[in-house]
Amino acid sequence: DVKVTQSSRYLVKRTGEKVFLECVQDMDHENMFWYRQDPGLGLRLIYFSYDVKMKEKGDIPEGYSVSREKKERFSLILESASTNQTSMYLCASRVAGDDEQYFGPGTRLTVT
Amino acid sequence: GENVEQHPSTLSVQEGDSAVIKCTYSDSASNYFPWYKQELGKRPQLIIDIRSNVGEKKDQRIAVTLNKTAKHFSLHITETQPEDSAVYFCGSSGSARQLTFGSGTQLTVLP
Repeated sequence: DVKVTQSSRYLVKRTGEKVFLECVQDMDHENMFWYRQDPGLGLRLIYFSYDVKMKEKGDIPEGYSVSREKKERFSLILESASTNQTSMYLCASRVAGDDEQYFGPGTRLTVT
Repeated sequence: GENVEQHPSTLSVQEGDSAVIKCTYSDSASNYFPWYKQELGKRPQLIIDIRSNVGEKKDQRIAVTLNKTAKHFSLHITETQPEDSAVYFCGSSGSARQLTFGSGTQLTVLP
């Protein structure tokens, strides 16, 4: 059974803080993704990685960066959190060459 | 890039009735169309998907239809039950193999 975990379910940070969101998958998946979910906007792709050390910008990368030092771990970094980054953040992974993505439980981030 | 539009944004049906959710996509090269269900407070989970070489796919009470010419696809849920209440997202994956999601439909099944 695929397991994708995220470091926190809820997180409250102050404006200007550096924020790290961690995602870990235990199924040796090559591809990993970060989305943010907002009401009425669905899931929007922030960054993705098809392999270790590799990263690509998604549709809304501004204000975010990522790190993939190990295959199982994909981190999303908010260099200087802003209130408009208050959102639900979802991580997903999949096998290279496959289509189905497996999602983590999400991190609800509030920036005050 | 790909654009996916999903309608309606909210849908209420009586238990036992059918529900239909529709999505349109823009990239004619898109070839994979999944539907995810997200129950309140839970992660999205794949419930059914279809590829561009197939027009219809069924799995018990749920079905997806695809019209490549018109670039739209639909989710059909028959004999709805209260546990079908959730947010449903459609997705489209094109030549870049990244999923673009619709904005979601909140389905409420009334007992």
